[in-house]
Order: sequence, then structure tokens, then C-alpha cells
Amino acid sequence: DAKTTQPPSMDCAEGRAANLPCNHSTISGNEYVYWYRQIHSQGPQYIIHGLKNNETNEMASLIITEDRKSSTLILPHATLRDTAVYYCIVRANSNYQLIWGAGTKLIIKP
Amino acid sequence: DAGVTQSPTHLIKTRGQQVTLRCSPISGHKSVSWYQQVLGQGPQFIFQYYEKEERGRGNFPDRFSARQFPNYSSELNVNALLLGDSALYLCASSKQGNSGNTIYFGEGSWLTVV
Repeated sequence: DAKTTQPPSMDCAEGRAANLPCNHSTISGNEYVYWYRQIHSQGPQYIIHGLKNNETNEMASLIITEDRKSSTLILPHATLRDTAVYYCIVRANSNYQLIWGAGTKLIIKP
Repeated sequence: DAGVTQSPTHLIKTRGQQVTLRCSPISGHKSVSWYQQVLGQGPQFIFQYYEKEERGRGNFPDRFSARQFPNYSSELNVNALLLGDSALYLCASSKQGNSGNTIYFGEGSWLTVV
């Protein structure tokens, strides 16, 4: 079973920041938090990942709480093309597989 | 550099037939994984291969098999197809198999079993 909990859906206005929460209260000390998104009928696209510290790249920022029990993915200026299902995944310590939950369907509205 | 490439992109098979799906990882990546994604659900892990050896297997029947070649490309085979095998089959690659190594996905192969 997935080790993460995400809201099933969210809306965000175009041009605003989209903040997607994820709970992972049972995460182990050496497990990473990964975020992917999947636009309809396409393969999942890697967004960002982190272990303890906050991370930022050209796509998004990842904020991980100090106790590591939750995180937030931030898309700073959402566009219509950001409409997708966003998956928060804790990478298994046995290293090889990603266990996917249901994700959050993010809808960006004009 | 090219991303993960998969073929074919779409195919239709009849119940009982066999199918082979192909995957070429990103150049320099030695680990390949396969996932099945049924409509409306998240992907489910099927196999992982690293350096041509199977490193992990998900909860799938023996009708599913895979292999990795010396050039690190991979094939997924499914025998005795059932209607329930209709899904998007995703291949993913990473440099190694360790946690922290980013996993990148291809666009998938859509399999329809009729």
C-alpha cells in the first residue's frame, strides 16, 4: 500500500501558486519523497524529490516539514498546462520500486 | 539525449494471445522497471532489472515475464492474455537501482485485449 495520503482533487487559478499537500507520517529516515505528475494518457513526468531539506528546480519547489511527516509541492505560477494528476511517493527503502497512491487531480482554471 | 522510448505505442490483441513490449532506457541508465497502469488508477510495479538481473517483482502472475539485454534495453512479455490485462504499460529507467536515483518514465504502450 502507498505510504502517502493526498487530497483527491484541487483547483487553482491560472497564474497563482498551486500548493499540493502530502502526508507521509510513517516515512523512514532514509526514504525520499518524490513527486511526479501525469497528464492524461501520457507517461508520468518527474518533478522533484527530496530527503530532508527543501528543494527547488525549474518546475517546482518541495517543502518538507522538519519531522518529515508531510510535504508540500509548490508550482509557483500555475498555467493551464499544469492540469494533471500529481503523485506524491515515498521511495521504498529496498530501493527499486515506486508505490503509487491515487494522487491529486489538479485543475488549473483560467 | 533521448528519453525512455517504448514500442509499440498502441496495440490490440485477442484473449489468449501473447504480447511483447519493448523499452530502451535513457543512455547510461542500467536499471529498467516495468509498471502496469489500469485506467483510473496509479501505476503498479511489475518488475525491475539492473545489470541484466531481476532485482524485484511485483504481485503479478507468472504469465508476466521480462528480460534485460546487454545494451540495457528490456522486453516485457505477457502470455495467455486476459481482458483484465488491458492497460497502459510503462517502462522506467534510472542510472542505478538505489533510492535517491531519479526514475524517468516513457510514454507507455497502450494494450487493449479484446
